[in-house]
Amino acid sequence: AQKITQTQPGMFVQEKEAVTLDCTYDTSDQSYGLFWYKQPSSGEMIFLIYQGSYDEQNATEGRYSLNFQKARKSANLVISASQLGDSAMYFCAMRGVGTGNQFYFGTGTSLTVIP
Amino acid sequence: NAGVTQTPKFRVLKTGQSMTLLCAQDMNHEYMYWYRQDPGMGLRLIHYSVGEGTTAKGEVPDGYNVSRLKKQNFLLGLESAAPSQTSVYFCASRLRTSDVYNEQFFGPGTRLTVL
Repeated sequence: AQKITQTQPGMFVQEKEAVTLDCTYDTSDQSYGLFWYKQPSSGEMIFLIYQGSYDEQNATEGRYSLNFQKARKSANLVISASQLGDSAMYFCAMRGVGTGNQFYFGTGTSLTVIP
Repeated sequence: NAGVTQTPKFRVLKTGQSMTLLCAQDMNHEYMYWYRQDPGMGLRLIHYSVGEGTTAKGEVPDGYNVSRLKKQNFLLGLESAAPSQTSVYFCASRLRTSDVYNEQFFGPGTRLTVL
């Protein structure tokens, strides 16, 4: 079975500081993808970053980077230089070869950026 | 290019009433998904479709039916609404590839309240 765990229901960060949002996963698949989505208060789901299980380098997209530790089955999202607009819910998700076409989502982390 | 659209955006039903949510995408994606989002539970997959005329159950299919008569549309039906179906419903779509890297594109969501 596939499972995504996000253990931080809420996080606070000072503006311009970096913050790490935790995500651990459980899968028996050898090939899988890990995704992070942002959901602002307006409600839409915004794709942020992706990491493939065979990617040797950590993924980066602008101020977002993914700290991928395969042996520990963790895929933490790092946001550098936080901005007020980063305040949102953040969801970690996974899709594996064995799951076919299904994505599995964590319960999310609410991030608040403090001015 | 509108991406993924959902109709309606908001709806209030009485217990026992029926309704259909419409999802449309103009990206020629093969795969389409319906999720529900409840507080503290992340996104859970209701049903999905891998192509026109085919559907499959997800994690929480009970009380819902779906149809994919056209490639661009995916309908979610509630035959007899219950208060437990009060939720925000998201539709998503993605291309069919053999790569696990394949993000989903989400619609804006439908907020449904069942009284």
